[in-house]
Amino acid sequence: AQTVTQSQPEMSVQEAETVTLSCTYDTSESDYYLFWYKQPPSRQMILVIRQEAYKQQNATENRFSVNFQKAAKSFSLKISDSQLGDAAMYFCAYIPYSGGGADGLTFGKGTHLIIQP
Amino acid sequence: GAVVSQHPSRVICKSGTSVKIECRSLDFQATTMFWYRQFPKKSLMLMATSNEGSKATYEQGVEKDKFLINHASLTLSTLTVTSAHPEDSSFYICSATQQGAAYQPQHFGDGTRLSIL
Repeated sequence: AQTVTQSQPEMSVQEAETVTLSCTYDTSESDYYLFWYKQPPSRQMILVIRQEAYKQQNATENRFSVNFQKAAKSFSLKISDSQLGDAAMYFCAYIPYSGGGADGLTFGKGTHLIIQP
Repeated sequence: GAVVSQHPSRVICKSGTSVKIECRSLDFQATTMFWYRQFPKKSLMLMATSNEGSKATYEQGVEKDKFLINHASLTLSTLTVTSAHPEDSSFYICSATQQGAAYQPQHFGDGTRLSIL
């Protein structure tokens, strides 16, 4: 069974600074997808960024980028120029490619990101 | 596009009653829907996967007689918490996707906060 581990229960960063959230995972699959989701106090699940395991290039979405290390099974999220609106819980998630959409997401325990003004 | 509506957003009821939560895909056909449960300050845990027209697949440890799932159409799945008790109080979130050969994203509803008195 796959597992996703987020070892940082809480992180704090000054506004406009850069912060990196860590995530490691364990799977026996060779093809899979990894995600970072943001959950603000409203509890909505917002997709931040997605990475396909077969792609070597790290995904980037504006101020958000990932460092995907497949051999190390590591998938960290870097948030540049942190903004107050970035404050939220961040969940790392995994899904195998083989399911064709039939599999649910496996989530890490989350990291609570605090932005200091 | 790809909107998932979940209703109700909040429900408070007495112990012993049954509660039905609806998850609707508004602008696409959801061949697969997922139900997650989230305890306060915890991660999302997959409860079950439902495919249109077939029985739901429950994750280990989830009581299928307690959490009844019906996916009668391509746009609607329901989760009924039967004879609810205080320990069933939680945040329940659904997501919906279209199965396919290629990756299909999961679209989340806004969640239902269930409180059993």
